[in-house]
Amino acid sequence: NAGVTQTPKFRVLKTGQSMTLLCAQDMNHEYMYWYRQDPGMGLRLIHYSVGEGTTAKGEVPDGYNVSRLKKQNFLLGLESAAPSQTSVYFCASSPGRVGQPQHFGDGTRLSIL
Amino acid sequence: SQQGEEDPQALSIQEGENATMNCSYKTSINNLQWYRQNSGRGLVHLILIRSNEREKHSGRLRVTLDTSKKSSSLLITASRAADTASYFCATGNSGGSNYKLTFGKGTLLTVNP
Repeated sequence: NAGVTQTPKFRVLKTGQSMTLLCAQDMNHEYMYWYRQDPGMGLRLIHYSVGEGTTAKGEVPDGYNVSRLKKQNFLLGLESAAPSQTSVYFCASSPGRVGQPQHFGDGTRLSIL
Repeated sequence: SQQGEEDPQALSIQEGENATMNCSYKTSINNLQWYRQNSGRGLVHLILIRSNEREKHSGRLRVTLDTSKKSSSLLITASRAADTASYFCATGNSGGSNYKLTFGKGTLLTVNP
């Protein structure tokens, strides 16, 4: 049982390039989340999804897009990467019922030069 | 914006000692959760306490919640070197967005052998 899997684990981009981060979960969870973690800032919510085909903005959505075409996958896209998007990105999932814990992947470390 | 704020930002203790971390938050909550993050890994859920609970135990962990003071504490007893990690509190808000969590900036705990 893999839980939450994120690919890739590391990536270096040049400013202006685009890329997609993939998150896959095998727990049949309804809700999925994308966070970014920066030093001294904790985790900040970028976008989230409450079910297949749905997406919603979180705290810091600018410069990112997401899609949830299949229940088990949640994709995070950077349209035109900027140095300010250098961060560690975490995906999480939860059953969606109130007060349920979130299950996290091990992160994607993204550097934008 | 961060809902939970952990205190202290960093804590260094000797193996066998107890470690106490505190979390303060600002708005009404449905539940409060504590997570651990080992270096280079994703967050792992430790314990959840609901707004109508005052104390909860899980193994060497003890969590208290004081909704009148909008604060929580995490106590790790008889600490081990393997407890070295960052610890985050996360609040689940009451109301329509209760499936989202808001994370604090974390406490870095170092347990020296």
